[in-house]
Amino acid sequence: EAGVTQSPTHLIKTRGQQATLRCSPISGHTSVYWYQQALGLGLQFLLWYDEGEERNRGNFPPRFSGRQFPNYSSELNVNALELEDSALYLCASRVDSPRSPLHFGNGTRLTVT
Amino acid sequence: QKEVEQNSGPLSVPEGAIASLNCTYSDRGSQSFFWYRQYSGKSPELIMSIYSNGDKEDGRFTAQLNKASQYVSLLIRDSQPSDSATYLCAVFTGFQKLVFGTGTRLLVSP
Repeated sequence: EAGVTQSPTHLIKTRGQQATLRCSPISGHTSVYWYQQALGLGLQFLLWYDEGEERNRGNFPPRFSGRQFPNYSSELNVNALELEDSALYLCASRVDSPRSPLHFGNGTRLTVT
Repeated sequence: QKEVEQNSGPLSVPEGAIASLNCTYSDRGSQSFFWYRQYSGKSPELIMSIYSNGDKEDGRFTAQLNKASQYVSLLIRDSQPSDSATYLCAVFTGFQKLVFGTGTRLLVSP
């Protein structure tokens, strides 16, 4: 079974640019979560999508946005990049059931210069 | 009060010892509990899931759940240097939210 796949692995942008990160969930998983993890810090919840709808959003500014496609893949967009957006962005998927754990992808390392 | 709390550590144990990691949660309606291991710069990987009161064992790992006291713990027997990582507790709350603790850093010295 293929795991959660994220692309690109690394992304380097300059301040003010836009970044697009992509995620393909495990087959059969309808829920996709996005997390930001700055160096040395914990997971910060960004967004939760299920069945194409945004279900919950973390405490991030509106320039962080995303969507989920009919095939359940997802993309995260970050507009007007700031230096502090440099982080590991993790995507995870699960079946929308209370007993279903999250399965994480390998992440996208975003560097803003 | 945070929804899920963990001691940030580091928790230092010698090789071969038992490492005990603890997590408390605030929502009594929480249904499912998960432990993840995260190596530096890598993504979290699932170690254990537990749903009912009591102990659940998987190899060197034992998860313990006490819903009355609202805590969940992870024991690692015969700790190895390769177990050195950050351990994340995650709770699926009664409000249909999956909440992560900030993690406990474990250091196993040879």
